[in-house]
Amino acid sequence: AQKVTQAQTEISVVEKEDVTLDCVYETRDTTYYLFWYKQPPSGELVFLIRRNSFDEQNEISGRYSWNFQKSTSSFNFTITASQVVDSAVYFCALTENSGYSTLTFGKGTMLLVSP
Amino acid sequence: AAGVIQSPRHLIKEKRETATLKCYPIPRHDTVYWYQQGPGQDPQFLISFYEKMQSDKGSIPDRFSAQQFSDYHSELNMSSLELGDSALYFCASSLGGTGRTEAFFGQGTRLTVV
Repeated sequence: AQKVTQAQTEISVVEKEDVTLDCVYETRDTTYYLFWYKQPPSGELVFLIRRNSFDEQNEISGRYSWNFQKSTSSFNFTITASQVVDSAVYFCALTENSGYSTLTFGKGTMLLVSP
Repeated sequence: AAGVIQSPRHLIKEKRETATLKCYPIPRHDTVYWYQQGPGQDPQFLISFYEKMQSDKGSIPDRFSAQQFSDYHSELNMSSLELGDSALYFCASSLGGTGRTEAFFGQGTRLTVV
């Protein structure tokens, strides 16, 4: 069975600090997909990134970067120079490749960025 | 770009009443998912449809049912509502399943059962 663990329940930083959100996953499949979603206080779930299990290249998108390491089953998310608007709950999620697999979410990490 | 549309955005019902939530997927998306997110919880998968057929089933109570129509919109029907059904209900859509493409979520329907 697939499982996603986000050990950090809440992180507080001051604006302009860098922050890393941890995600560790478990799956028996060799092909799987990892995701990060952002849920701001307004409640919607915003897609941030999808990564498949065969692509271990790190990715950078503006102030966001992701570090995927199969050896440690981790898919960590770093926000550089955090801003107040980054305050949200961030979910890491996993889907396996079998059939029409659905997303299994971690418990989420609440990020609070103060001015 | 068109997104997933859910209606209503907010709904208040009394215990034992019924509720119907609607979801309009992104055009050309053939897969619809329903998730339930309780307060302070992560989203939990309820049910999904691919090409109007149920494709997967999660922790959906027997009191709930859903279907996908010929125009690909989907409805989640909830009967005999309980206080514990109060949650944010998300619909998501994708093309061919989340393994191949990302699922985009609607803004959710916040259901409050009183």
